[in-house]
Amino acid sequence: DAGITQSPRYKITETGRQVTLMCHQTWSHSYMFWYRQDLGHGLRLIYYSAAADITDKGEVPDGYVVSRSKTENFPLTLESATRSQTSVYFCASSVEDDTEAFFGQGTRLTVV
Amino acid sequence: GENVEQHPSTLSVQEGDSAVIKCTYSDSASNYFPWYKQELGKGPQLIIDIRSNVGEKKDQRIAVTLNKTAKHFSLHITETQPEDSAVYFCAADISGTYKYIFGTGTRLKVLA
Repeated sequence: DAGITQSPRYKITETGRQVTLMCHQTWSHSYMFWYRQDLGHGLRLIYYSAAADITDKGEVPDGYVVSRSKTENFPLTLESATRSQTSVYFCASSVEDDTEAFFGQGTRLTVV
Repeated sequence: GENVEQHPSTLSVQEGDSAVIKCTYSDSASNYFPWYKQELGKGPQLIIDIRSNVGEKKDQRIAVTLNKTAKHFSLHITETQPEDSAVYFCAADISGTYKYIFGTGTRLKVLA
């Protein structure tokens, strides 16, 4: 299916475990982003990428790792999950900077 | 750091009335100002955007105005309908980068 897809949609994990959230887009957009959404904070940028093998930190990168070996994939890894990382995570992509970003459906992550 | 402030956090209007959401931004060199609508359980979706060389833009019942001098921009929805009920986010690009800062969101409820 065309578009941007995230998996899994829901995930429960234990404190200290490593977990990877997947993001896949079929448009070959250059730019990809990871946000977390928390009540009262809106959408905060975790990491972003301008192209394959180019990534940069956003507002709240601590505790997260990203990679982008292929244009269409942008996985987000929590190296050692903490309860403060309980959130809804959104992946997005755009064809150029300063243009519309297309968001995935989100992954609701709960760390217990 | 750069930030975007959004008000109000919640807004209730009667069906058919107008709704206005306001945002202020700190980066005087910001050039791109999108507005996103997020329905329950979904990712945000662009509804309208404006660039710094334009003062106003309309798309049917939705309009956005930009005051560069005051560094604020507003979303106007006229003749509101129940399906307009959602969370709305404003955003501004950060000059010299390809990332955005989002406001904290406004939950709009249209009462039938």
